[in-house]
Amino acid sequence: ETGVTQSPTHLIKTRGQQVTLRCSSQSGHNTVSWYQQALGQGPQFIFQYYREEENGRGNFPPRFSGLQFPNYSSELNVNALELDDSALYLCASSLRRGLAVNSYEQYFGPGTRLTVT
Amino acid sequence: AQKVTQAQTEISVVEKEDVTLDCVYETRDTTYYLFWYKQPPSGELVFLIRRNSFDEQNEISGRYSWNFQKSTSSFNFTITASQVVDSAVYFCALSEDQTGANNLFFGTGTRLTVIP
Repeated sequence: ETGVTQSPTHLIKTRGQQVTLRCSSQSGHNTVSWYQQALGQGPQFIFQYYREEENGRGNFPPRFSGLQFPNYSSELNVNALELDDSALYLCASSLRRGLAVNSYEQYFGPGTRLTVT
Repeated sequence: AQKVTQAQTEISVVEKEDVTLDCVYETRDTTYYLFWYKQPPSGELVFLIRRNSFDEQNEISGRYSWNFQKSTSSFNFTITASQVVDSAVYFCALSEDQTGANNLFFGTGTRLTVIP
């Protein structure tokens, strides 16, 4: 196990609703990334948070937003849910040291499976 | 633009056979990182290896080995003497130095089934 936890495990929502997914990073990690994995596809980068600020974003609309808290845990919020938002949402934590932005591994949580009906 | 191609969608092998999973990548950066992750049915992505673009030395870890060739933009993964527990979806991923956010670009994955 990586020490990264996510909640809830499964979630069913209706189109148009809003959802909040949560992630607790591995102890000592200061960076959290979120990915969306549609069925049969590889994960796609949504955004990353480093020291409570967004530090990069993939090709996702503004209705996907996030937060990182002082304890480095994180939330992913999705507004106005669409059917295509149904996916496994993965959170990954890592430890960023200085400017070496790519010198560390990302450790993934078990994911939250979101179904939008 | 970056791209990771895993042309093998599904592979089935009989236990104890060797199997190689292919990964071809595209990037304009000279500094980049390549990764392999394993995703068992539970869904959690398990980190297997990271390789930077300046280190073409092949690596072996137990039954796992990786062959990185910049000349062909490939980073292939071989499992020797496969076991049923190796059954999973395997993803190759690329991270470019200039993105700043260390985001991973994943391939579409290869589903490996090891038959007892």
